[in-house]
Amino acid sequence: GAVVSQHPSRVICKSGTSVKIECRSLDFQATTMFWYRQFPKQSLMLMATSNEGSKATYEQGVEKDKFLINHASLTLSTLTVTSAHPEDSSFYICSARVAGTSYEQYFGPGTRLTVT
Amino acid sequence: DQQVKQNSPSLSVQEGRISILNCDYTNSMFDYFLWYKKYPAEGPTFLISISSIKDKNEDGRFTVFLNKSAKHLSLHIVPSQPGDSAVYFCAASALGAGNNRKLIWGLGTSLAVNP
Repeated sequence: GAVVSQHPSRVICKSGTSVKIECRSLDFQATTMFWYRQFPKQSLMLMATSNEGSKATYEQGVEKDKFLINHASLTLSTLTVTSAHPEDSSFYICSARVAGTSYEQYFGPGTRLTVT
Repeated sequence: DQQVKQNSPSLSVQEGRISILNCDYTNSMFDYFLWYKKYPAEGPTFLISISSIKDKNEDGRFTVFLNKSAKHLSLHIVPSQPGDSAVYFCAASALGAGNNRKLIWGLGTSLAVNP
């Protein structure tokens, strides 16, 4: 149980284009989903917390107009990287928290974004 | 300011022996701690957790110890197996912006278990 999927697993896009990454909880309902990015040899950096049906809460330093998050249902959250630049190239990981629990997060397999 | 610290970036252990991964934290408001295991190019996998009201939690080969007075926790893996080789992240749960609970992560310790 508690399986989270992400799509796509890898994406290459040209500078200036937008990329959408999907995060789905497959066998549970997730009222809260989280979006992280990880640079090589570094820890996970929380970008934003997404609650179903409401606006995402962004961490300090994360541009909300650049990283658009939509959590339209209890099983789906999307992250759109708008007007991507090479410095946005990173490993993006989502996680989901089971509705009614407070602590454990279950992670997707991640999406490797490369902007050329 | 790193609120969750894993001071050993790497650890090498012989198969069958005990692996001890350490984690220190600075915020006394953290009330729940978790350990995750991560392979390259994959998302982290939840391993084991502990509430701040406990000092030990055991699950199979994995045991987490919490010393609140020292603000220190450790993950013990015994016996260690080659398949345990991965990066282990310590995380602490805290209330964040908008009253959302979020995890504060350490930088990870890369464990290598040698056959």
